[in-house]
Amino acid sequence: GAVVSQHPSWVICKSGTSVKIECRSLDFQATTMFWYRQFPKQSLMLMATSNEGSKATYEQGVEKDKFLINHASLTLSTLTVTSAHPEDSSFYICSAREDRRVQAYEQYFGPGTRLTVT
Amino acid sequence: SQQGEEDPQALSIQEGENATMNCSYKTSINNLQWYRQNSGRGLVHLILIRSNEREKHSGRLRVTLDTSKKSSSLLITASRAADTASYFCATDLRYITDSWGKLQFGAGTQVVVTP
Repeated sequence: GAVVSQHPSWVICKSGTSVKIECRSLDFQATTMFWYRQFPKQSLMLMATSNEGSKATYEQGVEKDKFLINHASLTLSTLTVTSAHPEDSSFYICSAREDRRVQAYEQYFGPGTRLTVT
Repeated sequence: SQQGEEDPQALSIQEGENATMNCSYKTSINNLQWYRQNSGRGLVHLILIRSNEREKHSGRLRVTLDTSKKSSSLLITASRAADTASYFCATDLRYITDSWGKLQFGAGTQVVVTP
């Protein structure tokens, strides 16, 4: 149980185009999901907290218009990198907490999406 | 922003040896969690220790927490080649400065276990 999937697992796009990354909780409901970014051999940096039915909360320094987040259902959150540039190339990881477990503190992570912008 | 600092940055050991890594953080926490990441993959939750706990075990893992020193350690006993991965500590500031249970990750320790 508690599986989170991401799609696509990797994507290459041209500079100036937009890319959408999906994050799904497969066997549980998640009101709250998180989006992280990770550069090679570095730690995860939280980008935003995604809440079903409301606007995402972005961390300081993260451009809202650049990284659009939509949490349309209790099992799906999407991250759209708009007008991508080479500096947006990174590993994007989502995570989710299981709603059903009120005292759940651990997060379940997706396998990540490798974005390369050429 | 990153809350935790981990040391060592990298650790190379042989199978059967123990691996110890440390994590320090800056603010009060609700709980501290350890995750493992295989190269190019997502993270897997290993163990959670609450702020009122001092030690916790799970299989070959032992975690300690010293809130007075704002530090935690992860010990992997009798390591195996399959333990090769990066290990991250993450602090949960829920009910302290955050209501969502956001995690702030340390820099990570890269562990290589050779057969």
